Amino acid sequence: GAVVSQHPSRVICKSGTSVKIECRSLDFQATTMFWYRQFPKKSLMLMATSNEGSKATYEQGVEKDKFLINHASLTLSTLTVTSAHPEDSSFYICSARRGDGRLQHFGDGTRLSIL
Amino acid sequence: GDSVTQMEGPVTLSEEAFLTINCTYTATGYPSLFWYVQYPGEGLQLLLKATKADDKGSNKGFEATYRKETTSFHLEKGSVQVSDSAVYFCALSERNTGFQKLVFGTGTRLLVSP
Repeated sequence: GAVVSQHPSRVICKSGTSVKIECRSLDFQATTMFWYRQFPKKSLMLMATSNEGSKATYEQGVEKDKFLINHASLTLSTLTVTSAHPEDSSFYICSARRGDGRLQHFGDGTRLSIL
Repeated sequence: GDSVTQMEGPVTLSEEAFLTINCTYTATGYPSLFWYVQYPGEGLQLLLKATKADDKGSNKGFEATYRKETTSFHLEKGSVQVSDSAVYFCALSERNTGFQKLVFGTGTRLLVSP
């Protein structure tokens, strides 16, 4: 149980394109979802926390107009990287939390490459 | 603020060797502690956890004991396998964030050779 699906797994696109990444909890309702960014050989940096039906809470230094997060249902959150540039290339990972549980269940990540 | 410090890698071992990856933490409250594993090109998987002092988390031959007195949560395995090659992250979450926010260490890469 507690499976989180992230799609796509890999995206390669041109500079200026907007890219949407989906995160779905397949067998549970996720009241809270999280989006992380991981730089090469570095740890995960929390970008934002999203609660179903409300605006996402962004961490300091993360541009909310650049990284749009929508958590429209209890099983789906999306991250849209708007007008992506090469510096946005990274590995993006989502996680989902069931109810008020302490555990976060992670997706397999999306490798975003902007040319 | 809260932080997690892990030993720098990579850690290179031969198969069946003993593994220790050190992790220490700084927290304002009484955190829950976690070890996550990341295989190449994948997301993170929870390996084990401990929620209070002296708890021992264990899974797949890996163990870690929550040591409040030394603020440590070192990961150990008695005999590693090639399939254990991955990056290991130590992490904590605090009650004052509703255990929502995970704070990760920088990760330690383990390479196990046959």
